[in-house]
Amino acid sequence: GAVVSQHPSRVICKSGTSVKIECRSLDFQATTMFWYRQFPKKSLMLMATSNEGSKATYEQGVEKDKFLINHASLTLSTLTVTSAHPEDSSFYICSARGGGSYNEQFFGPGTRLTVL
Amino acid sequence: AQTVTQSQPEMSVQEAETVTLSCTYDTSESDYYLFWYKQPPSRQMILVIRQEAYKQQNATENRFSVNFQKAAKSFSLKISDSQLGDAAMYFCAYRGNTDKLIFGTGTRLQVFP
Repeated sequence: GAVVSQHPSRVICKSGTSVKIECRSLDFQATTMFWYRQFPKKSLMLMATSNEGSKATYEQGVEKDKFLINHASLTLSTLTVTSAHPEDSSFYICSARGGGSYNEQFFGPGTRLTVL
Repeated sequence: AQTVTQSQPEMSVQEAETVTLSCTYDTSESDYYLFWYKQPPSRQMILVIRQEAYKQQNATENRFSVNFQKAAKSFSLKISDSQLGDAAMYFCAYRGNTDKLIFGTGTRLQVFP
């Protein structure tokens, strides 16, 4: 149980285009999902907290107009990188918070974005 | 603000031996959770072990155990009987009242046969 999927796993796009990444909790409902960015050989940096049915909360320094987050259902959150530039190339990871005693976060397998 | 520090960028261990990864953190909160996550080359984050701050007993999960020193704000991970499959990046993480995970910079563990 507690499986989180991400789609696509890899995407290459041209500079100036927009890319959408999906994060799904497959076997549980998640009112809260998190989006992280990970640079090569670096740690995970939280970009935003996505709450079902409400606006996402962005971390300081993250452009909300560039990284659009939509959490339209209890099992799906999407991250859209708008007008992508080469500096947006990175590994994006989502997690979904489950219930239970620990409110544990379950992580997706990540999406590698390359902007040419 | 809370911070998590991992002072060992890289560690190595021989198969079947024991290795300890260090983690320190800073917080003014009294109730929180600490975690160790493993990130293998596949990049999938895997929870290794968790520790509730209010529990004095150190958590253990098979070959993995922690040494939690609350007063010293220290949370080290011990891997016993190391296996080749243990080779990965290991991240220490803190979760307090905000429900956000704060990660350390990671330690790359190499396991030699």
